[in-house]
Amino acid sequence: AQRVTQPEKLLSVFKGAPVELKCNYSYSGSPELFWYVQYSRQRLQLLLRHISRESIKGFTADLNKGETSFHLKKPFAQEEDSAMYYCAPRTGQAGTALIFGKGTTLSVSS
Amino acid sequence: GAGVSQSPSNKVTEKGKDVELRCDPISGHTALYWYRQSLGQGLEFLIYFQGNSAPDKSGLPSDRFSAERTGGSVSTLTIQRTQQEDSAVYLCASSARGYTQYFGPGTRLTVL
Repeated sequence: AQRVTQPEKLLSVFKGAPVELKCNYSYSGSPELFWYVQYSRQRLQLLLRHISRESIKGFTADLNKGETSFHLKKPFAQEEDSAMYYCAPRTGQAGTALIFGKGTTLSVSS
Repeated sequence: GAGVSQSPSNKVTEKGKDVELRCDPISGHTALYWYRQSLGQGLEFLIYFQGNSAPDKSGLPSDRFSAERTGGSVSTLTIQRTQQEDSAVYLCASSARGYTQYFGPGTRLTVL
């Protein structure tokens, strides 16, 4: 069965500390992977997608096909990074729905 | 430009009543998605429309749930005979042929 796992419900770090939000997936074929973020009282929005290989707000994510992981990383967390983060693979044709993980709440305190 | 809009923003209903939730996608977006966000369950896919193709209804949790999309634009999600477990935030998203999904603010449904 296709599934995505975000093992941490809550991740609490201090400002300036490194952050890694874990995501593991179980899919056949080659899924396209995304990270979405929802800040307090804001809409869910795309943070980054693996095919873009970009860094957004200091976050990066590397697709590791061997480990079937797509962990989200940032070397120095900021308080404004506090939010709910969802990992979302998509299989099949472009435009099909995303299958979201249950999300990880990141809390960054000073 | 205008983003995805949803109405109402909040809906409180009694168990057993029917509700309709509306989504206005971004103009020109051919794909429209409905998701449900609830505590402990994260985000669940419900249904997906792409252009004039038959919708992907594989995520609908029961036959009490249905959705339609008129004229390739506005969509309505209908929940019949609501139950307390239907309480959640219902999110709509749209995209332009498979690219980034843009989400609406959601409708918070509370079933008493």
